[in-house]
Amino acid sequence: DVKVTQSSRYLVKRTGEKVFLECVQDMDHENMFWYRQDPGLGLRLIYFSYDVKMKEKGDIPEGYSVSREKKERFSLILESASTNQTSMYLCASSLNGMNTGELFFGEGSRLTVL
Amino acid sequence: DAKTTQPPSMDCAEGRAANLPCNHSTISGNEYVYWYRQIHSQGPQYIIHGLKNNETNEMASLIITEDRKSSTLILPHATLRDTAVYYCIVRPNSGGSNYKLTFGKGTLLTVNP
Repeated sequence: DVKVTQSSRYLVKRTGEKVFLECVQDMDHENMFWYRQDPGLGLRLIYFSYDVKMKEKGDIPEGYSVSREKKERFSLILESASTNQTSMYLCASSLNGMNTGELFFGEGSRLTVL
Repeated sequence: DAKTTQPPSMDCAEGRAANLPCNHSTISGNEYVYWYRQIHSQGPQYIIHGLKNNETNEMASLIITEDRKSSTLILPHATLRDTAVYYCIVRPNSGGSNYKLTFGKGTLLTVNP
C-alpha cells in the first residue's frame, strides 16, 4: 500500500524556535509537495520539489525553506516560527509522467506556535 | 491553471446518488479535470480525473460536458463515510514546470442518514 508518512501528527513550538517537519514517501515518486491548510483559505502550496536537490516556490514560500537530499524525503523548515504559522501542514508526492496530478497525501502535521 | 467554481455545500441522503457539479469555463485544451476529497482531519484523497471522455472507477464517475466547461462527480450510492469536502481542480496532466495542484475551497458534501 502506498504511503506518505509525516513525522509528527501534532507539534507545539514557541515563537522563534526552529521547526523541522519531515515527510517520507515509499513510492519512489519524483515530485513532493508541502501545503498548509487554514480554515476559510483551503490548501495553499508552500514549496514543491520535482527531483533531489531541486525545489520551487509555491504560492506562499515566505518564512519557510525546504530540503530534498534524498528522493524519498522532503523536509519543511521554519527558521524562526511565528504565531501566524500555526496551521495544518500537509505533505504529498506524485509520479512524473502522465499522472502528475494524482497526489498522495500524508495525514498532516498540526503545528501550534505559541 | 483554469479556475473552478463549486457550490460551498450540498446534502445527500444515504444510499442515494450524490452529484457534485463544477464549472471550469476557462479550461484549456491540455487541462485535465481532477477530483479530490478530504474527510475531516485527514489528508486529501485522489478520486478520479479525465480529459474529455467520461470516466469511472471504483469510487466514482466523472461526467465532462462536450464543451468541457463543466463536469459532475457522481457517487452512485453515497454512504455516511462519503461526508467530506470535495475539490475540483483543472491542470495540465504532464509535468514540465507546472507540477503543482491548486486547491480551491471545494464543496462540503454531507450525507444524511
